[in-house]
Amino acid sequence: ETGVTQTPRHLVMGMTNKKSLKCEQHLGHNAMYWYKQSAKKPLELMFVYSLEERVENNSVPSRFSPECPNSSHLFLHLHTLQPEDSALYLCASSPPGTGSEQYFGPGTRLTVT
Amino acid sequence: AQSVTQPDIHITVSEGASLELRCNYSYGATPYLFWYVQSPGQGLQLLLKYFSGDTLVQGIKGFEAEFKRSQSSFNLRKPSVHWSDAAEYFCAVVMNYGGSQGNLIFGKGTKLSVKP
Repeated sequence: ETGVTQTPRHLVMGMTNKKSLKCEQHLGHNAMYWYKQSAKKPLELMFVYSLEERVENNSVPSRFSPECPNSSHLFLHLHTLQPEDSALYLCASSPPGTGSEQYFGPGTRLTVT
Repeated sequence: AQSVTQPDIHITVSEGASLELRCNYSYGATPYLFWYVQSPGQGLQLLLKYFSGDTLVQGIKGFEAEFKRSQSSFNLRKPSVHWSDAAEYFCAVVMNYGGSQGNLIFGKGTKLSVKP
C-alpha cells in the first residue's frame, strides 16, 4: 500500500463510451502523473501535473483528457478510445524536491472493445 | 536521447540462488537512479534509489544495487532469492539538469521467475 489509490481497478468500455479514471493521494505530494503500460513496451509518461498545473503532455491523443482539481486528485477522462488504448493505466505522485521518487497506485486495467 | 536498457527480458533462478539484474543508461552526466518492482496486477513499488554518495545502496526486501559510473550501470542484486521475489523489475532514471529535474525514464523491465 503506497498511499495512492486508483478506481476503478478494471474497466471495459466500448469505443463510443465516455468514462473516467480516478486517482487519489493523501501523502502531501505536489506532483501527479499518468502513465500507460502496454505489453512489451516501456512505461509511457502521458501527463504530469505540478501544483495542479499541467507541465507536460507527451503528445497524447486528445481522446485522453486529464483533470487535476486539487493536489490530491487526478482524473483521466476517456472518450472514443481505440482498441490499441487497452492497457494498464498507472497513476503516481511525488513529493517536492529534486530527484524525489514517485509512488505508484495499483493501476486501472482498461480494455477497449 | 536518454535511454535505459535492461538487456534481459526474462530470467529464471532457483530459490536460494543469487540474482543480478542488469541496467544501463545513456546520458553524459550522473542521473538519479531507481529500481522498482511490479507484482502481477499491481502498481510499481520502489526498491531502492541512488542520488549520490556511496555507490552501493541498500533497499527493501534484501535488495541492493551498485552504481558504476564507468560502465553507466546500476545493477540490482540479491544474495538469496525467495519465491515471493517473482515479479517484474524496472530500472528507471531521472536526468538531473543541473538543479531542475527531468522525468522518469523506464527500462522495458525484466521478468523474474523463481523455481523451487
